[in-house]
Amino acid sequence: GAVVSQHPSRVICKSGTSVKIECRSLDFQATTMFWYRQFPKQSLMLMATSNEGSKATYEQGVEKDKFLINHASLTLSTLTVTSAHPEDSSFYICSARTGTGGQDTQYFGPGTRLTVL
Amino acid sequence: GDSVTQMEGPVTLSEEAFLTINCTYTATGYPSLFWYVQYPGEGLQLLLKATKADDKGSNKGFEATYRKETTSFHLEKGSVQVSDSAVYFCALTDSTLTFGKGTMLLVSP
Repeated sequence: GAVVSQHPSRVICKSGTSVKIECRSLDFQATTMFWYRQFPKQSLMLMATSNEGSKATYEQGVEKDKFLINHASLTLSTLTVTSAHPEDSSFYICSARTGTGGQDTQYFGPGTRLTVL
Repeated sequence: GDSVTQMEGPVTLSEEAFLTINCTYTATGYPSLFWYVQYPGEGLQLLLKATKADDKGSNKGFEATYRKETTSFHLEKGSVQVSDSAVYFCALTDSTLTFGKGTMLLVSP
C-alpha cells in the first residue's frame, strides 16, 4: 500500500527555536496533504490542508505565522514550528491524499513527537 | 459541528475474547464512517468503512455497522489476537475527517 514517511520521528528543542518536520509520500503523488496535531489522550485535530503549489488552508484557531506549511512538490510537505514554546509540544501527524481519492485514500505518516524545553 | 465519541481505554482482553469498542457520532449531514488502527510506531491505517446507513464494514475479522437511528458505529471482533493490540480511532467525514480520541486495545496471551 501507499507509504507516507515523516522526519524526524522525534525532536527535542529549546524554547524559541524553529523546528521543521518533513512529510513525504514515498510511492504516490499527493496533491493534498494534511497536518494534524494530537495531544495525549485526545483526538487528532486537523491543523491545515495544503495543496501542491498553493497556500495552505488553516483551521480556525491555528496560527499560520507560527505553523508554516510548504507543499512545494507532489511528494513533499513541510511543517515549520517557528519560535517554538513548551505549549507547542505535541505529536504532529501528516497525511497525504491523491487527487482523485476520497477520504478513504488518505494515508497517514507515523507522526513526529516534538518536545520543547 | 461534527464530533465523534468513543469509549476510553485501555481495553484489556485475553486472547480469543470478544471485542467491542463503542463509537457514537454527531453530524449535520450524512457522513461516511471509518475505523482506523494505529499499531505501535506506525501511522494510522484504514481498517474499515461504511458510507451509508445499515452498511457493514469488515476487514481482518473486525466489523462495524452504520446505525443511523442510534448514530453509532461500534467496532466488534469475535476473537482477538495479541497482534490486534493497537490504538483504534473512530472517524467520520463530511468534507474533512473528524476523529475520536482513540481507544487503546491491549490483548494478552
